[in-house]
Amino acid sequence: AQTVTQSQPEMSVQEAETVTLSCTYDTSESDYYLFWYKQPPSRQMILVIRQEAYKQQNATENRFSVNFQKAAKSFSLKISDSQLGDAAMYFCAYRIPSGNTPLVFGKGTRLSVIA
Amino acid sequence: GAGVSQTPSNKVTEKGKYVELRCDPISGHTALYWYRQSLGQGPEFLIYFQGTGAADDSGLPNDRFFAVRPEGSVSTLKIQRTERGDSAVYLCASSPSGGTNYGYTFGSGTRLTVV
Repeated sequence: AQTVTQSQPEMSVQEAETVTLSCTYDTSESDYYLFWYKQPPSRQMILVIRQEAYKQQNATENRFSVNFQKAAKSFSLKISDSQLGDAAMYFCAYRIPSGNTPLVFGKGTRLSVIA
Repeated sequence: GAGVSQTPSNKVTEKGKYVELRCDPISGHTALYWYRQSLGQGPEFLIYFQGTGAADDSGLPNDRFFAVRPEGSVSTLKIQRTERGDSAVYLCASSPSGGTNYGYTFGSGTRLTVV
């Protein structure tokens, strides 16, 4: 069974600084998708960034980028120029590309941004 | 609608009572998922609908939980004889047919509290 591990229950960062959130996963599949979701107090899960395992290039979305290490099964999220609005729970998630398979989530990391 | 709508936003019920949680997906999305998010945890998969049928209900914890989607749009998650351990946020997500590598669009969830 696939598992997703987020080893940092809480992280904090100064406004305008950079922070990295860690995620590792376990799978025997060679092709899969990885995601980072943000969950603010409104509870809605918002997609931040995604990565396809067959792509070697790390995904980037504005201030958000990932460091995808397939051999190490590691998928960390880097947030640059942190803003107060980045404060939220962040969840790493995995799914295989077959049909509409469900997402498998980690336990999350609570990010605080200090002004 | 423009997004995934879940009602009620919050529900408090007494132990042993029956509850229904509603999810109204994005119009045209044929895939619908229910997840349960316990305090301090990531969302855990409950059930997945493709159209009107439950394509995968392997995440339902026991036979007190049941979900329907009779017309292939709105879905209702039903919990009988509620227990305090059922207290959680219940999230619904939808996606277009045929699978997607973009993850899903989530609603804001229903926070269920069993007292």
